[in-house]
Amino acid sequence: DTGVSQDPRHKITKRGQNVTFRCDPISEHNRLYWYRQTLGQGPEFLTYFQNEAQLEKSRLLSDRFSAERPKGSFSTLEIQRTEQGDSAMYLCASSYGPSGYEQYFGPGTRLTVT
Amino acid sequence: GESVGLHLPTLSVQEGDNSIINCAYSNSASDYFIWYKQESGKGPQFIIDIRSNMDKRQGQRVTVLLNKTVKHLSLQIAATQPGDSAVYFCAGTGNQFYFGTGTSLTVIP
Repeated sequence: DTGVSQDPRHKITKRGQNVTFRCDPISEHNRLYWYRQTLGQGPEFLTYFQNEAQLEKSRLLSDRFSAERPKGSFSTLEIQRTEQGDSAMYLCASSYGPSGYEQYFGPGTRLTVT
Repeated sequence: GESVGLHLPTLSVQEGDNSIINCAYSNSASDYFIWYKQESGKGPQFIIDIRSNMDKRQGQRVTVLLNKTVKHLSLQIAATQPGDSAVYFCAGTGNQFYFGTGTSLTVIP
């Protein structure tokens, strides 16, 4: 399967702990996106990369959140000092080309903060 | 701010009937819209897209209609099948991608 993969699929953590998620995009895709999705809602944009450059960040992305894509391939999303409000599904998507509109999503990482 | 929203949170249709899912958007500068399908426990899956210079686009069993005058788009699914049961999202471009809240489609066998 050459689709977008995310790891882990599920993460349970205690409030105040740090967590890190990984996304492996489709290999030839130059754009990579992170979204957050809560129950009953559509995905909310967090940030995106074109190759290794982080080009856009949502105001939803507080100082506790950081994302990297060091070599323009896989990406990590870290949440520091997790809060219960961070509980959500974190989705990664990738796309190819100048517009990057046709995004392919991974299965997501479900985070539960207790 | 920019937003897209769906008129109905749930829709039930009989197998074999046609389904219509509607979406309204606020950003008149959006130049691209996409419909996604999301099944339980999975990420959204691309269905069909349309650029703002088009009124209609057809795919396999799906048609998207765009009415820029009233900022409305719809997804029509022909001969709806049980496998079409999912949550459907419209998304539009602005500075970023904006997703609606979704319509849950249930197909009754």
